Amino acid sequence: DAKTTQPPSMDCAEGRAANLPCNHSTISGNEYVYWYRQIHSQGPQYIIHGLKNNETNEMASLIITEDRKSSTLILPHATLRDTAVYYCIVRVGMGGSQGNLIFGKGTKLSVKP
Amino acid sequence: GAVVSQHPSRVICKSGTSVKIECRSLDFQATTMFWYRQFPKKSLMLMATSNEGSKATYEQGVEKDKFLINHASLTLSTLTVTSAHPEDSSFYICSGAWGREQYFGPGTRLTVT
Repeated sequence: DAKTTQPPSMDCAEGRAANLPCNHSTISGNEYVYWYRQIHSQGPQYIIHGLKNNETNEMASLIITEDRKSSTLILPHATLRDTAVYYCIVRVGMGGSQGNLIFGKGTKLSVKP
Repeated sequence: GAVVSQHPSRVICKSGTSVKIECRSLDFQATTMFWYRQFPKKSLMLMATSNEGSKATYEQGVEKDKFLINHASLTLSTLTVTSAHPEDSSFYICSGAWGREQYFGPGTRLTVT
């Protein structure tokens, strides 16, 4: 699986949009981009995933560049409860059983009042 | 999203004893479950992959005789830490694969004294 690079930490003001970048320059054509987050002392929570089109759900938006070498996770209105470590992962496979998730160090997002 | 539970959420045991951790998928059937562990301020590290009805596949460096995994049904996988040592103290997290996603349990904090 391709490797990802994320900034180690970011701050965001409450109510503002949080934009978390991720570089995955060696991504293959069949690899998806997944985002998970982990709030302190809890299991990771799935946020969103995409292949090449931008995606949006109730939690966030995922913007993938046209060359697929980078992406940005957008939390439109960050709250204090969004403080967590955010992981960007690229992974082959259509099915959840086809390959485990390899977690890097992620970005620690701190949302401040 | 799908729900995965773990039991117990916290356990303290003495060196040399064994402890069993249960992982259940509550509203979906997981043909594949993954076990991770996470040391303080570190990222999740995959320990093993288990498929229902077959032997687990362990990652390099993880002792299969020490970390016994049983995936007897599509909704239950167990991890037994045998002859526990203080260095086994960690946060153990399971996940179940469903569709293109993996859903994680809340984790089990193991402390070996």
